[in-house]
Formats: sequence, C-alpha cells, structure tokens
Amino acid sequence: EAGVAQSPRYKIIEKRQSVAFWCNPISGHATLYWYQQILGQGPKLLIQFQNNGVVDDSQLPKDRFSAERLKGVDSTLKIQPAKLEDSAVYLCASSLDDRPYEQYFGPGTRLTVT
Amino acid sequence: RKEVEQDPGPFNVPEGATVAFNCTYSNSASQSFFWYRQDCRKEPKLLMSVYSSGNEDGRFTAQLNRASQYISLLIRDSKLSDSATYLCAVNPYNQGGKLIFGQGTELSVKP
Repeated sequence: EAGVAQSPRYKIIEKRQSVAFWCNPISGHATLYWYQQILGQGPKLLIQFQNNGVVDDSQLPKDRFSAERLKGVDSTLKIQPAKLEDSAVYLCASSLDDRPYEQYFGPGTRLTVT
Repeated sequence: RKEVEQDPGPFNVPEGATVAFNCTYSNSASQSFFWYRQDCRKEPKLLMSVYSSGNEDGRFTAQLNRASQYISLLIRDSKLSDSATYLCAVNPYNQGGKLIFGQGTELSVKP
C-alpha cells in the first residue's frame, strides 16, 4: 500500500516569498492533517480536513497560511508571505474516519526561509 | 504550562537497559493517548496506543495514570534500533482526530 506522498521534499526561499506544498494521502483516508514541526519540538496541528471540509484550523495563521482540499483527496498548503519563523518541516498525515488517531505521516517538506 | 510535556532528553543508555519516559498532560478531560516514534529526519510513526488498563507490546509497555495526568512508556532490553525520538500525543476531549504532541524525548542506545 502506498503511503502519504508529499512534495517537494526540500524548499529554500527568501522571506516574503510564497511557497506551496502538496500532499496526496493514503487511498481511502478521508481525514487529512497538516502539521508544522519546528526543530526540537513536536508536530503542531495546523489544519484538519475531513473529505474536503475543514474540521479544525484553529492554529493556522490565517493571515499568511492557507490550505485547500478541493476534491477530498489531494491537498495543498500555501504560505504567503513567508517569515523566518516559518522554517520548519511541514508534515501531512491521513487517517481513516473510524481510526482518527492512527495517523500515517508523509516524509514531510523541509522549508528553510532565509 | 504546556498542554503536553515530556521528560527532557536525551537519554543515553547501554544495550539491554530498561528505560522509561514520562509525559504529563494538562487537560484532565483528555480522552486518548498515544506514543509515536520518530527516527532522525523521518516522519513520526504510531508506536502504540495507551489504554486505561495499560498495554504491552513485546518489550514496550505503556501506562496511563489519570489521577496524576501522565502517561509512561517503558522499554525493556533496549536495542540499538530503539534509538529515536519518542513523542507522546494526547487527544483533547471531543475534538475529533486532533492530537497534541509533546516535544519528544530522544533516546540513544549505545553498544
């Protein structure tokens, strides 16, 4: 079974630039999560989708971050404009509806903002 | 106070040692608890769920203490391959699949 796919794996941008990340969850997983993991910290949930609806985006900095999951499968996370403190690994995870805590993570996108 | 806090690491232990990690949570209404393992520069992977009665999976034992609001992970007979960061995760009450992670505890098992 294919795992969660993410791209790109690495990205280096300058502050104030824009960046987008892509995630393809495991087939059949209705719930998709975006996490931010800063070095030395645990993952922090940014947004949770169930199918194409947002379940929780309480910790998403909406002035600069946006995310969508238009057809209930793939998702994109965008940062515009980026700040130095956005340097982190952005992890996408997915889960089945009836097992929401058994989350399968993708390899992540390592973002460096200079 | 952070919602989920873990023992600061790193833990450096010899092969064969027994090591235990603790994780405290602040929300007494939290419902579900988990341990994830994260290898260096890799994604987290679910290690085990933590049940009220405690649970064991081979060399790994997880326990929950609701009265004191902490969970623990015990690793017996440590292997070199156990070297990783262990993340505890807590689901706040009635918040779907939301997980709040601790900062992680790094374990290094030496020969």
